[in-house]
Amino acid sequence: QKEVEQNSGPLSVPEGAIASLNCTYSDRGSQSFFWYRQYSGKSPELIMFIYSNGDKEDGRFTAQLNKASQYVSLLIRDSQPSDSATYLCAVGFNTNAGKSTFGDGTTLTVKP
Amino acid sequence: NAGVTQTPKFQVLKTGQSMTLQCAQDMNHNSMYWYRQDPGMGLRLIYYSASEGTTDKGEVPNGYNVSRLNKREFSLRLESAAPSQTSVYFCASSGGQGYEKLFFGSGTQLSVL
Repeated sequence: QKEVEQNSGPLSVPEGAIASLNCTYSDRGSQSFFWYRQYSGKSPELIMFIYSNGDKEDGRFTAQLNKASQYVSLLIRDSQPSDSATYLCAVGFNTNAGKSTFGDGTTLTVKP
Repeated sequence: NAGVTQTPKFQVLKTGQSMTLQCAQDMNHNSMYWYRQDPGMGLRLIYYSASEGTTDKGEVPNGYNVSRLNKREFSLRLESAAPSQTSVYFCASSGGQGYEKLFFGSGTQLSVL
């Protein structure tokens, strides 16, 4: 079992819909959770991080964390074609994002 | 403000050749990292440097060496390249206002034939 697993995708949603991206992790001691967006041929870009159970909202993005069930999700409301990218989930033991373990990513396509 | 600069952007090597990937950041960050990303996969940590003068192994260090030359620069060396090292390499840094944010370089596409 991989330490961090994401839906392999690809995930396709129509413009304006809600995109839901999921990530599960195996280590119950994990404390920090990050979502990165990576456009094709580009470097990853941090869009959200969350440390506590519950929801964290930032604009159209909401991260949801459930430590008991060991999953973290990313919701993108009012999806736009510019949201089309690969989304990487990363899980770590502290706030040091650099030492996190990354999932393989889910590719999202938003169709106009 | 350049952020994190990596060179070269592309490189083709023959098996057994050596090369050094260069990385420099101008954000006065303490921590720097080298990752590799294989097609369809996430990033895997090769080596990191928590501060100037220190380096530590990450998840996949075999076949690589690193040097933290000063606070700005962190280089990755392949002593004897192998086809299994064909990948995209990213350098990153952190340690400004918040350790949560990693700043990535634009990447190096390396092919080993």
